[in-house]
Amino acid sequence: SYVLTQPPSVSVAPGETARITCGGNKIGTKSVHWYQQKPGQAPVLVIDYDTDRPSGIPERFSGSNSGNTATLTITWVEAGDEADYFCQVWDGSIDQVIFGGGTKLTVL
Amino acid sequence: EVQLVESGGGSVQPGGSLRLSCVASGFSFSSYEFTWVRQAPGKGLEWVAYISIGGAIIYYGDSVKGRFTISRDKAKNSLDLQMNSLRAEDTAVYYCARCYDSSGYSAFDMWGQGTMVTVSS
Repeated sequence: SYVLTQPPSVSVAPGETARITCGGNKIGTKSVHWYQQKPGQAPVLVIDYDTDRPSGIPERFSGSNSGNTATLTITWVEAGDEADYFCQVWDGSIDQVIFGGGTKLTVL
Repeated sequence: EVQLVESGGGSVQPGGSLRLSCVASGFSFSSYEFTWVRQAPGKGLEWVAYISIGGAIIYYGDSVKGRFTISRDKAKNSLDLQMNSLRAEDTAVYYCARCYDSSGYSAFDMWGQGTMVTVSS
């Protein structure tokens, strides 16, 4: 089945740019969605369809997707961005949803 | 208020059954597809099941296929998950989530607060 690979952790200082990757075979041909999850809370959609930002999500959050890697980019990182981030796609060949393993973003 | 509220979680012995419910409010339940996603303690997100708007199209994750049944009740604005033959590895917080659109590749734009299921002897 289709596998999405994320780095377990990413650390950045406040004000810097965080890039969280999501690797998958020809992922550039799929639609990738990204979720933010803070401790004890439900996930929140932050990027859908590779690059779109839902209402209420700051412009600091952006996404890209090409080749074998999708990337969630958070510019001007704030302490409040510290969370787990998950990528997600649909595997249409087997009609299943796939999540990446998640990346813990630490703001130093 | 626009929200999804899950209920029905609890503790159950291995081999037992549990039925989760998710009630939608503040939006047109009948216009959306839904899904269940779970998260074992300290672990990542795992997709469980999907149901189409009319309920005719249903998909399951491999780990629950044949044991779990997803359904929806238009009259009650409710999404259900019947879980049978429960195993220790089914222990998780279970979230219901709304599909953003009917593209077939949708994101999940609204989530409930989750309900905890513990399977233990």
